[in-house]
Amino acid sequence: GAVVSQHPSWVICKSGTSVKIECRSLDFQATTMFWYRQFPKQSLMLMATSNEGSKATYEQGVEKDKFLINHASLTLSTLTVTSAHPEDSSFYICSANFGLGEETQYFGPGTRLLVL
Amino acid sequence: AQSVTQPDIHITVSEGASLELRCNYSYGATPYLFWYVQSPGQGLQLLLKYFSGDTLVQGIKGFEAEFKRSQSSFNLRKPSVHWRDAAEYFCAVGAGYSSASKIIFGSGTRLSIRP
Repeated sequence: GAVVSQHPSWVICKSGTSVKIECRSLDFQATTMFWYRQFPKQSLMLMATSNEGSKATYEQGVEKDKFLINHASLTLSTLTVTSAHPEDSSFYICSANFGLGEETQYFGPGTRLLVL
Repeated sequence: AQSVTQPDIHITVSEGASLELRCNYSYGATPYLFWYVQSPGQGLQLLLKYFSGDTLVQGIKGFEAEFKRSQSSFNLRKPSVHWRDAAEYFCAVGAGYSSASKIIFGSGTRLSIRP
């Protein structure tokens, strides 16, 4: 099956610093990648849709200047949390699909971010 | 806009007993429906999906789900649960209008297994 990886799996940072999370599709080319956020004991909330070579589309209420998304290649998308604050602490999950009408999303294992 | 409701926050069943997790969706057209499972500290794994065709869908790990348009439901079932099935289960609906389809998740149902 399709494999999506994320790096790092967890990160602790100081308030005010920036953190970059990578999402890679290991055995397929992903036209579209998605970034989700999951708070403890809650569901996944879609943050943005990332298309290779174009700007990401952010969901309502998500600050695009705070959560920078880059999808420079068909196998890599990055999420940078800029000037992180404790309230940004969360579980960030990416997913990818094959595109071209393929609806199934394959999820990465997630990255746990703790901002001190 | 599409939405998904999972009315049961937490369910406990005995090992070997049958299981049904409820899911109701709201969407104007024919939905793309998914069930995912998330084990503690792990990513989401796709159990099964419904796009079209046979309304009874077979998935991995012995799970199945039935799409009922009249009830706007897509309940997940398993005839006999195992302790390894303890996890969080998410129902999701996709818009399916393009390759960049969004998936909207329900709030999840936590499944506990009684020995």
